[in-house]
Amino acid sequence: AQSVTQPDIHITVSEGASLELRCNYSYGATPYLFWYVQSPGQGLQLLLKYFSGDTLVQGIKGFEAEFKRSQSSFNLRKPSVHWSDAAEYFCAVGDYGGSQGNLIFGKGTKLSVKP
Amino acid sequence: DAEITQSPRHKITETGRQVTLACHQTWNHNNMFWYRQDLGHGLRLIHYSYGVQDTNKGEVSDGYSVSRSNTEDLPLTLESAASSQTSVYFCASSPAGTGPFGYTFGSGTRLTVV
Repeated sequence: AQSVTQPDIHITVSEGASLELRCNYSYGATPYLFWYVQSPGQGLQLLLKYFSGDTLVQGIKGFEAEFKRSQSSFNLRKPSVHWSDAAEYFCAVGDYGGSQGNLIFGKGTKLSVKP
Repeated sequence: DAEITQSPRHKITETGRQVTLACHQTWNHNNMFWYRQDLGHGLRLIHYSYGVQDTNKGEVSDGYSVSRSNTEDLPLTLESAASSQTSVYFCASSPAGTGPFGYTFGSGTRLTVV
């Protein structure tokens, strides 16, 4: 069955430090992968998505993610974290059949940023 | 501007009562989805619809129902609310044929069952 694993429940980084959030997926075919961010009390905002082509994907707010098929991973990175990046981050895989499909989410990683 | 709205934003209800959460979108999207978000579980799919009169069960559909009588609305009904259904509920929509792409999420409804 399709699934997404985010091994880290909570990560704390210092402002200005680099960030990497881990995501591993299980999917039988070519995966469609996503990262979403949720600020406290808010809905979900799409950061970036991958479905083919270049394995390094650029997103909004200075985030990027790299698809590694051999490791079944799609880790999210940012070179320098800002205090406003404190939020919960969700990795998701697209369960896609024909022309329809839906998203399967990981359990999320909460990011705290120290001043 | 097009949008997706959920109402109410917060609701407290008693065990055993029927509750309906509203989701309305003006994107003219064919696809609509309901998820619940719980600590330690992320978001889990409850029900989804790919068009008028079409509804499908998701991963955690027990105790919930939906109906799709028009393009804009997908109300979620809890037939007999239970404390285990205390959660934050998110509605989402996407254009026809886009699969998992093009999701737009609502701001969520926080439901407490006492």
